Amino acid sequence: RKEVEQDPGPFNVPEGATVAFNCTYSNSASQSFFWYRQDCRKEPKLLMSVYSSGNEDGRFTAQLNRASQYISLLIRDSKLSDSATYLCVVNEDTGRRALTFGSGTRLQVQP
Amino acid sequence: EPEVTQTPSHQVTQMGQEVILRCVPISNHLYFYWYRQILGQKVEFLVSFYNNEISEKSEIFDDQFSVERPDGSNFTLKIRSTKLEDSAMYFCASSGLASSSYNEQFFGPGTRLTVL
Repeated sequence: RKEVEQDPGPFNVPEGATVAFNCTYSNSASQSFFWYRQDCRKEPKLLMSVYSSGNEDGRFTAQLNRASQYISLLIRDSKLSDSATYLCVVNEDTGRRALTFGSGTRLQVQP
Repeated sequence: EPEVTQTPSHQVTQMGQEVILRCVPISNHLYFYWYRQILGQKVEFLVSFYNNEISEKSEIFDDQFSVERPDGSNFTLKIRSTKLEDSAMYFCASSGLASSSYNEQFFGPGTRLTVL
C-alpha cells in the first residue's frame, strides 16, 4: 500500500520553464503536509509547508486539496539550481509526529 | 542559522559489530528523530524522542536499535549486531515547540553506514 505517491520523473525542463509536481496521500486523517528538496546523497531540506489555503514563497507555490487528498508544487522560472529530487511529505496524525515520505520526483533543469 | 549536526559522516563496520551514530539537534528543539534511507529508496521513519523517552517508533525500530540522550546536547542511535541490510544513510532530525500543530522537522547531513 503506497501511503504517499509521486510521479518519479525525471522532469527535464529548460531554464525559465514552469513545472508542476503532484502528490497523492492515502490517509484522509493526515494533518500536515510539506515539500522537501533532496540533492543527491544529501539530507532532505524543508522547502515549504503546505497550508489548506495554499501558500507561495517566491517562485514556489504549494496547494492542498483535502477532498481529493492531493498536494501540488509549482515552480516558476526554473533555475539550474532547482535541479533536485522533490519529496512530498505527510504527517498522518495529530497524535504522531512521524513523517511519511514519498519516493520523490526528480527535476533536471537544463540550460 | 542553527542546524542539526551529525557525526561521523561515514561509518564502516563489520557485520555483527555495534555502532553509535551521534547527533546534535537544534538547541531549542524539543523533539528528536531518526530516519533512514537505503540507497535508491525513500526516507523511512525509525523513532521519535521527547522528554527523555521514546514517543513513537516504527516496525523497523526493533530490539536491535536504541536511542539515548546522554547529556543536554547529544542524541544517539545505537545499532547492535549490525546486519548487511542496515547499510543506509541515517538522518537525525529535530523539531520545535510541542504545541506547534505544524511539525516542521529539520534534518542533519546524515551518517552513511556501510556494513561489510
